[in-house]
Amino acid sequence: DAGVIQSPRHEVTEMGQEVTLRCKPISGHDYLFWYRQTMMRGLELLIYFNNNVPIDDSGMPEDRFSAKMPNASFSTLKIQPSEPRDSAVYFCASSPYSHEQFFGPGTRLTVL
Amino acid sequence: KQEVTQIPAALSVPEGENLVLNCSFTDSAIYNLQWFRQDPGKGLTSLLLIQSSQREQTSGRLNASLDKSSGRSTLYIAASQPGDSATYLCAVDAQGGSEKLVFGKGTKLTVNP
Repeated sequence: DAGVIQSPRHEVTEMGQEVTLRCKPISGHDYLFWYRQTMMRGLELLIYFNNNVPIDDSGMPEDRFSAKMPNASFSTLKIQPSEPRDSAVYFCASSPYSHEQFFGPGTRLTVL
Repeated sequence: KQEVTQIPAALSVPEGENLVLNCSFTDSAIYNLQWFRQDPGKGLTSLLLIQSSQREQTSGRLNASLDKSSGRSTLYIAASQPGDSATYLCAVDAQGGSEKLVFGKGTKLTVNP
C-alpha cells in the first residue's frame, strides 16, 4: 500500500486566497483525520470522519475552514479566505478499527 | 480535558547509550497510547500502540511501557544509533475509547556519533 497520500506537499499563497488541501487515505481505513502542526501549539486535531461522515469538527478554528469527504478514498480541507496565521503543516491520517493512526507526509502551507 | 506532557523536550546522547523518554497524561481512562516518530519535514510514523489492557509493547530496540493508573508511559530505546535522531511524540485518547488523539509536544532526540 502507498500509505496516506497528500497533495500538494508545499503551498505558498497570498492572504485572502482560497487554499484546498487533498488527502487519499489508506484503502480500507474507516477513519480519516485532519491535523494542524505549529511550533507554538504542537499537533492539533481539526476534524475527523468515520465512513465519510464528519464526526467531530470541534477543532476547526473558524468558519473559514471546511472539510469534506465525498467518498472513501478522498478528502479535502479548504481554507477560504486564508490568513497568515493559517501557516502551518497540515497532516491527514487514516485509521482502521484498531485506532492506530497512520499519517501522510503533510502539506506545508505558507500564507503571505 | 486530557493533557499530555513529554519530558524532556530535548535530549542529546552519545551513540550506543540506552535511553528513556517519558510521557504523562492527566486522564487515566484511556483505551490506547501510541508512540510516534517524526523526522524533520516529514509526517509521523507509528512506532508502537499499547492498548489499555497491556503493560508493554516491544519492537526491535524499542520498548514502550504503560502504567495507566499513574498516567505514565515510557519509551525505552536500547543501544541508540544516529539514525534514531528524531522527535518522538506520544498520544492518548481524548476521552476513553475516543478515536480522537491528544498529542504531547514531543521529545527531540539527538544521538551523536
